[in-house]
Amino acid sequence: NAGVMQNPRHLVRRRGQEARLRCSPMKGHSHVYWYRQLPEEGLKFMVYLQKENIIDESGMPKERFSAEFPKEGPSILRIQQVVRGDSAAYFCASSPPGVQGTYEQYFGPGTRLTVT
Amino acid sequence: QQPVQSPQAVILREGEDAVINCSSSKALYSVHWYRQKHGEAPVFLMILLKGGEQKGHEKISASFNEKKQQSSLYLTASQLSYSGTYFCGTDRSGSARQLTFGSGTQLTVLP
Repeated sequence: NAGVMQNPRHLVRRRGQEARLRCSPMKGHSHVYWYRQLPEEGLKFMVYLQKENIIDESGMPKERFSAEFPKEGPSILRIQQVVRGDSAAYFCASSPPGVQGTYEQYFGPGTRLTVT
Repeated sequence: QQPVQSPQAVILREGEDAVINCSSSKALYSVHWYRQKHGEAPVFLMILLKGGEQKGHEKISASFNEKKQQSSLYLTASQLSYSGTYFCGTDRSGSARQLTFGSGTQLTVLP
């Protein structure tokens, strides 16, 4: 059973370009989370999605950032007009469906975004 | 609100014990512990539910004191492979869907 997959693993963008980060959850998982991690810091929650729905985007900057999890295909985190401060590691995690509150979040290897 | 982890860093010799604490000012439903090695993804260790239960994973165990809203991670007879940054993630909603992570405790185990 493949784990959470993210691509690309490394992404370099010039200021003003767009960055697209992809995340394929574990098989059978319908919940996806995106986190941002700056060097030597903890994980900051950005957004929580289910298929075709954004459940909680309270951690997402209001401008330039958007996320989707379509019915088919991976979840995508899109950053428009990137700035140097967007440089960070972006992790995706997934968890299985259900209503119980004991689900583990499984993390992908991350995408390291560098804005030059 | 972000939970507070202590200590920020700890250095051990192989075979020594360590305790990492995670405190919240708000009532919690559960606490999730992860370990992250440099340049890698966080790896799940265990979940502690309110009720003060204690869990174990090899020589790593944890407890959750609901009255104090504090969880502690215990590493006994530490091994070199335990080195990494330990993060606690707290859940206030009961859904385990929206976790707030602490800033991490960097653990270094020396031979």
